[in-house]
Amino acid sequence: DVKVTQSSRYLVKRTGEKVFLECVQDMDHENMFWYRQDPGLGLRLIYFSYDVKMKEKGDIPEGYSVSREKKERFSLILESASTNQTSMYLCASSHGTVYEQYFGPGTRLTVT
Amino acid sequence: AQSVTQPDIHITVSEGASLELRCNYSYGATPYLFWYVQSPGQGLQLLLKYFSGDTLVQGIKGFEAEFKRSQSSFNLRKPSVHWSDAAEYFCAVGANDYKLSFGAGTTVTVRA
Repeated sequence: DVKVTQSSRYLVKRTGEKVFLECVQDMDHENMFWYRQDPGLGLRLIYFSYDVKMKEKGDIPEGYSVSREKKERFSLILESASTNQTSMYLCASSHGTVYEQYFGPGTRLTVT
Repeated sequence: AQSVTQPDIHITVSEGASLELRCNYSYGATPYLFWYVQSPGQGLQLLLKYFSGDTLVQGIKGFEAEFKRSQSSFNLRKPSVHWSDAAEYFCAVGANDYKLSFGAGTTVTVRA
């Protein structure tokens, strides 16, 4: 089975801190995605990556950046956390030419 | 641009009763359609998918969905609901570049 893991299930940070969310997949998938999930809004795509060192902006990239130095790892970075970035963050991966995505358990981030 | 609408925010159903969740999509070409389920505190799990062929697709946990092109719908059904089906359900459509566009979700409550 595909396994997507995220470094933390719960995270509490202060406003202005730099925050790193890590995601690792073990199925050699080319594509990786970061979403944020908010009640009533579903999942919104922040960034995605089709290959190592490649990244593309999603629908809501403002305030976020990403890094993909290795194929299995995709990091989401909040350069200066703000309270409106309090949310559930989900990572997903998929094979290169396939739409089906596999999700990690999520990280619930609270920024105070 | 593609989009997904889930008209029902919250559905309450009795255990043993049937369940139907509605999903309408907007997409110019033949869509790739998915239903995911998210149990409390968990990531998303794929229930079923439609790419082509038979318009009635079977998934895991006794779920099925029917693709109706004329109605731009992909409704999810289960004949007899179990308490463990209480969760949030997301419909998604495959977009360009192997991304998914998600609906806002439907929360299902199962009463004894």
